[in-house]
Amino acid sequence: EAQVTQNPRYLITVTGKKLTVTCSQNMNHEYMSWYRQDPGLGLRQIYYSMNVEVTDKGDVPEGYKVSRKEKRNFPLILESPSPNQTSLYFCASSTLTRFGHEQFFGPGTRLTVL
Amino acid sequence: DQQVKQNSPSLSVQEGRISILNCDYTNSMFDYFLWYKKYPAEGPTFLISISSIKDKNEDGRFTVFLNKSAKHLSLHIVPSQPGDSAVYFCAAILVYQTYGQNFVFGPGTRLSVLP
Repeated sequence: EAQVTQNPRYLITVTGKKLTVTCSQNMNHEYMSWYRQDPGLGLRQIYYSMNVEVTDKGDVPEGYKVSRKEKRNFPLILESPSPNQTSLYFCASSTLTRFGHEQFFGPGTRLTVL
Repeated sequence: DQQVKQNSPSLSVQEGRISILNCDYTNSMFDYFLWYKKYPAEGPTFLISISSIKDKNEDGRFTVFLNKSAKHLSLHIVPSQPGDSAVYFCAAILVYQTYGQNFVFGPGTRLSVLP
């Protein structure tokens, strides 16, 4: 089954404690990205990756890091989480076609930073 | 300032009637527009898209209209069904040939289809 998986689905942590949210896709997609969803703001792109070892900042990259060492994985790293990073996070992947660049989303990770 | 706006946070429609969800954008350089549907506790799922060179795309009960001069697009659902009740996100894409694509999402509209 084609899918994007994220782990963990729920996480409560404390300020300053480094954490990683994993993302994996099994569709051989070149493009992967991370979003955060906040009330009234919709989905905002944090980072994206065009392919292995190619990453770039989205609209809200501050406080986050990513890596793309393999095509299927795109982990999101919070080196020193802060309460304003409490949010719902989605990973997404897509192939790049001329028909619209449809993205497939993971189920989401709800992060609470105390 | 949001580049993609959905000015109606919520919309209620009777089952069988038409649902019209609206989206406005500010950047005339967007290449594609997409609609996503999101149920609680799930990730968004792709619904329908339209290229900036077209003005209409239809897929079953769903039709997206694009008015480039007004920088406005809309999603029509006919007929509306209770299972359509979800949050709908409008999204726009800027494609950079050499270094990626930038997705911009609106804040979403919650559609409730009443039986």
